[in-house]
Amino acid sequence: QSALTQPRSVSGSPGQSVTISCTGTSSDVGGYDYVSWYQHHPGKAPKLMISDVSKRPSGVPDRFSGSKSGNTASLTISGLQTEDEADYYCCSYAGRYTWVFGGGTKLTVL
Amino acid sequence: EVQLVESGGGLVQPGGSLRLSCAASGFTFSSYSMNWVRQAPGKGLEWVSFITTSSSIYYADSVKGRLTISRDNAKNSLYLQIISLRAEDTAVYYCARVRGSNYMDVWGKGTTVTVSS
Repeated sequence: QSALTQPRSVSGSPGQSVTISCTGTSSDVGGYDYVSWYQHHPGKAPKLMISDVSKRPSGVPDRFSGSKSGNTASLTISGLQTEDEADYYCCSYAGRYTWVFGGGTKLTVL
Repeated sequence: EVQLVESGGGLVQPGGSLRLSCAASGFTFSSYSMNWVRQAPGKGLEWVSFITTSSSIYYADSVKGRLTISRDNAKNSLYLQIISLRAEDTAVYYCARVRGSNYMDVWGKGTTVTVSS
C-alpha cells in the first residue's frame, strides 16, 4: 500500500489551467476506474471534486475535470480562481476494500 | 443537511488508548459503508479502516492489530478504537461516507489525536 505519487506543488495565475498528475501501479490506479480527487483547505473537511476518474459531483464547477491513462490519473483545473488555492489529493481503490491516497499537491494561485 | 461530526480526540500518552466517534446526520446511516482516514502533521491523507453496512471490516496494513472500527446504526454513529498509541498515530482523524465502495462523498472536519508524554 504505497502512496500514489503526486507533485508536491503546482501553481498558476488566475484564468490559467493547471494539471495535477497522480501515478500509481496496475494494482491501484491502473487496475480500477475508481480514482477520486479531493480538495482540502487546512482545518476544513476534504471535499470530493471528481469520482470514478472523471465524474463531477453536483455542485463542482465544470472547470474541474479528471482523466486517466494507464497507471496515471490527472486532475485539470481550467480558468483558475483564487478560491481554488488548496491541497489536492488523489485516491484510488486498491482492491479488497482498501484505498490508497496520493501525497497531496499544494496548488498556489499566483 | 448531510453531516459527519467527529469527536473524542485529545492528548494521550504513548501506550494509551482512545475511542473516536463520528456522529452522522441528514442521511440513513445504516445504508452506507464508512471509512476512517487520517492526516499526520505535514503529511498527506492516509486511509485507515473501512466498515460495510453489514459490519465487515478492513484495515490498512500499517494499523492492523491496534485499531478497531465499529458502528452503531441505532445511534447513527461510527467508532474507531485505538490501542497502544504511538507518536506516529498523531494525526487528524476523519470519518467519511463511502459511495459505490470506491469514493468518499461526505467528510467530517476531523478530530485531532496527539500522542505525547
